[in-house]
Amino acid sequence: EAGVTQFPSHSVIEKGQTVTLRCDPISGHDNLYWYRRVMGKEIKFLLHFVKESKQDESGMPNNRFLAERTGGTYSTLKVQPAELEDSGVYFCASSQAYTGELFFGEGSRLTVL
Amino acid sequence: AQSVAQPEDQVNVAEGNPLTVKCTYSVSGNPYLFWYVQYPNRGLQFLLKYITGDNLVKGSYGFEAEFNKSQTSFHLKKPSALVSDSALYFCAVRERKDSSYKLIFGSGTRLLVRP
Repeated sequence: EAGVTQFPSHSVIEKGQTVTLRCDPISGHDNLYWYRRVMGKEIKFLLHFVKESKQDESGMPNNRFLAERTGGTYSTLKVQPAELEDSGVYFCASSQAYTGELFFGEGSRLTVL
Repeated sequence: AQSVAQPEDQVNVAEGNPLTVKCTYSVSGNPYLFWYVQYPNRGLQFLLKYITGDNLVKGSYGFEAEFNKSQTSFHLKKPSALVSDSALYFCAVRERKDSSYKLIFGSGTRLLVRP
């Protein structure tokens, strides 16, 4: 069974540009989460989808971040326009039930210059 | 709001020695606590969780964690460390908001096991 996959693994962009990160959860997992880890700090929650619906987006930093989950399958996280402080590793995770056991992707490292 | 704290940025231990990675929590109600591990260039992997029951929880790769309510701690332990245990370890607590659940993570502790 395929795990959670994220693309791209690494993206380097200039300040002001746009980047779109993609996450493919484990098939059948209704819950999809986005997290971010900025250098050396805690892994911070961004938002939570159940199927195609946003259940909790309290962690989204500002309106430069837009997350979507088309048809309850894969999800995208767009940053537009990117700022220096957006640099970090963006993790996607999925789960089937509310057991707390999340399955994580390998992350997308974003570097904004 | 729920939170966890990992007071050590790094833990160094010799192979074969016991290891402890510390975590304390702050929650309202009964805590649901987790440990995850991140190996280099990999995603986070679930190690173990505490929901209720025995205070000593056993998990993957020979790890275990002890839930201590009076000290609000959930330290990760292993009796005999391996060099391959070297990785980044995250403690987490489950937080519920309305009908949504999420994990709140600590800042991580880097474990370095020297041969």
